[in-house]
Amino acid sequence: LAKTTQPISMDSYEGQEVNITCSHNNIATNDYITWYQQFPSQGPRFIIQGYKTKVTNEVASLFIPADRKSSTLSLPRVSLSDTAVYYCLVGEGSSNTGKLIFGQGTTLQVKP
Amino acid sequence: GAVVSQHPSWVICKSGTSVKIECRSLDFQATTMFWYRQFPKQSLMLMATSNEGSKATYEQGVEKDKFLINHASLTLSTLTVTSAHPEDSSFYICSARDLTGGPNSPLHFGNGTRLTVT
Repeated sequence: LAKTTQPISMDSYEGQEVNITCSHNNIATNDYITWYQQFPSQGPRFIIQGYKTKVTNEVASLFIPADRKSSTLSLPRVSLSDTAVYYCLVGEGSSNTGKLIFGQGTTLQVKP
Repeated sequence: GAVVSQHPSWVICKSGTSVKIECRSLDFQATTMFWYRQFPKQSLMLMATSNEGSKATYEQGVEKDKFLINHASLTLSTLTVTSAHPEDSSFYICSARDLTGGPNSPLHFGNGTRLTVT
């Protein structure tokens, strides 16, 4: 399974755009990139998933360059409630048995 | 969307006793579920893959006789922590995929079970 590397922590202010980059140099051809958000004492919550180029949903955008060795999660206009840990995972989502290994995650602190 | 439910959300037990945690996929079937453990201020660690109708697959370093996993139906997997000790106190989280959403559906996680062993 491809290993991921993210910044341990980031600070931002309300209303700003936050970009969290994840490195996954050993990503395999069949691997998808998935981002999760976790609040204290809760299970991770799915944010967004992509394979290449750009994916956007109602809460975030995911940018994946052509070589797929990294990805960037973009959170527009963050609020205090976006303070959480964000995990980037890489794995074969096409397989029902495809397990996902969590890296250290990025703790985002949004300040007023 | 797909919902994974865990029960109980928290449990306190005495050292030496066993505790069972349930993980249910509420609106989809899951032939495979995953169990994670998370210690304070650490990331999630995959413990095992639960397979419906067959034996679970454990990650290296996880004692299969201590963490018993049963996946008897397509919507239920259970994790039993046997002879629990204080060092087993942790946050246990299960997850599963709803493949009706497509072949690359993401994992959905339960809200976790906080186990405290006294």
